[in-house]
Amino acid sequence: GQNIDQPTEMTATEGAIVQINCTYQTSGFNGLFWYQQHAGEAPTFLSYNVLDGLEEKGRFSSFLSRSKGYSYLLLKELQMKDSASYLCAVKDSNYQLIWGAGTKLIIKP
Amino acid sequence: ETGVTQTPRHLVMGMTNKKSLKCEQHLGHNAMYWYKQSAKKPLELMFVYSLEERVENNSVPSRFSPECPNSSHLFLHLHTLQPEDSALYLCASSQDEGASSYEQYFGPGTRLTVT
Repeated sequence: GQNIDQPTEMTATEGAIVQINCTYQTSGFNGLFWYQQHAGEAPTFLSYNVLDGLEEKGRFSSFLSRSKGYSYLLLKELQMKDSASYLCAVKDSNYQLIWGAGTKLIIKP
Repeated sequence: ETGVTQTPRHLVMGMTNKKSLKCEQHLGHNAMYWYKQSAKKPLELMFVYSLEERVENNSVPSRFSPECPNSSHLFLHLHTLQPEDSALYLCASSQDEGASSYEQYFGPGTRLTVT
């Protein structure tokens, strides 16, 4: 079966750095997405990786290793507004998105 | 209106009721999706429409019936639901259903409670 694993919850301090990991086992691979979802709101797109390596976008970076079936989302200079759930999703060989259950990130002052 | 809108935002219905959820996208996208989101579970894809044709139905019970009258509108008709159907129902759209890199844009969801 297809599976996406990510930690259920993480806690970090304002101003610090946090890394949210995602491992996947899917039938085929056509890219990996990270989304942010604030409580009671819609998921919003953060990043897309299809080749190995690091993609940087401001305070957020996303890394992919296809051989290891592994990705992480790196958040720098954490702000209170970064408290949210972070969803990892992989497009399989049928271009269908397979979703992880999300990581709830709690930022403390 | 911009992006993806959904109505109603909240819905409480009895198991014998019939109701409909509405989604509208103002992005000119060709693909639209219905997802179910339950607490601490992955998003569950229910239906996919591409250019108004249904291309995916992930074994969803027949008490959920989708309708896509045009590329901007998507409905989810509900009847004789069960309490376990209580969840957040999210609509999304993307430029293309088959391409790798196109991200999905989500609406704010309808919080459904079945009593």
